[in-house]
Amino acid sequence: GENVEQHPSTLSVQEGDSAVIKCTYSDSASNYFPWYKQELGKRPQLIIDIRSNVGEKKDQRIAVTLNKTAKHFSLHITETQPEDSAVYFCAASAGTYKYIFGTGTRLKVLA
Amino acid sequence: NAGVTQTPKFQVLKTGQSMTLQCAQDMNHEYMSWYRQDPGMGLRLIHYSVGAGITDQGEVPNGYNVSRSTTEDFPLRLLSAAPSQTSVYFCASRPQLAKETQYFGPGTRLLVL
Repeated sequence: GENVEQHPSTLSVQEGDSAVIKCTYSDSASNYFPWYKQELGKRPQLIIDIRSNVGEKKDQRIAVTLNKTAKHFSLHITETQPEDSAVYFCAASAGTYKYIFGTGTRLKVLA
Repeated sequence: NAGVTQTPKFQVLKTGQSMTLQCAQDMNHEYMSWYRQDPGMGLRLIHYSVGAGITDQGEVPNGYNVSRSTTEDFPLRLLSAAPSQTSVYFCASRPQLAKETQYFGPGTRLLVL
């Protein structure tokens, strides 16, 4: 069935360094790829998304890249700050009603 | 505009008890869904609805019922709670098209003893 694999499960970086989280999806019909940030005890919140007709999207320190041929997409956070520490989830949607979520990456930014 | 709201925030149940988790949205979204979140397993879809009167099963529907009598409300019912249903439950909504942002409610933390 449909599946989204997310790596790594945990990631520690020094403040100011970059962080990269990668996801691979199985359904080649997937055409929408959101990324959510979840702080401890809070709800997941959308931070950036990309649709299948573009290869890259940036929003300040956050960017997402999509490689449709390889069926993977990545989240890039530059100049990390302590407030970036959270769990990040990727998801893929194939034009149906369902999002399939990755299992999450716990990012720790060390001061 | 309150967005997606959920009640209660926290609930403790005994095995075998039943309860209803409430979810409401005021954005006139057609699509609503319920997820459970367990450590290391991400968000798993329980049930979803594409409009009033229409519901369908997600990845982990067993032990849960839903109904959608109005566009605004999408309650989740646990018929006979089990310890395996201890989890954090999130309701979410979005416009019908899958290429649209999905908004989550604040979550309900459920403990089944």
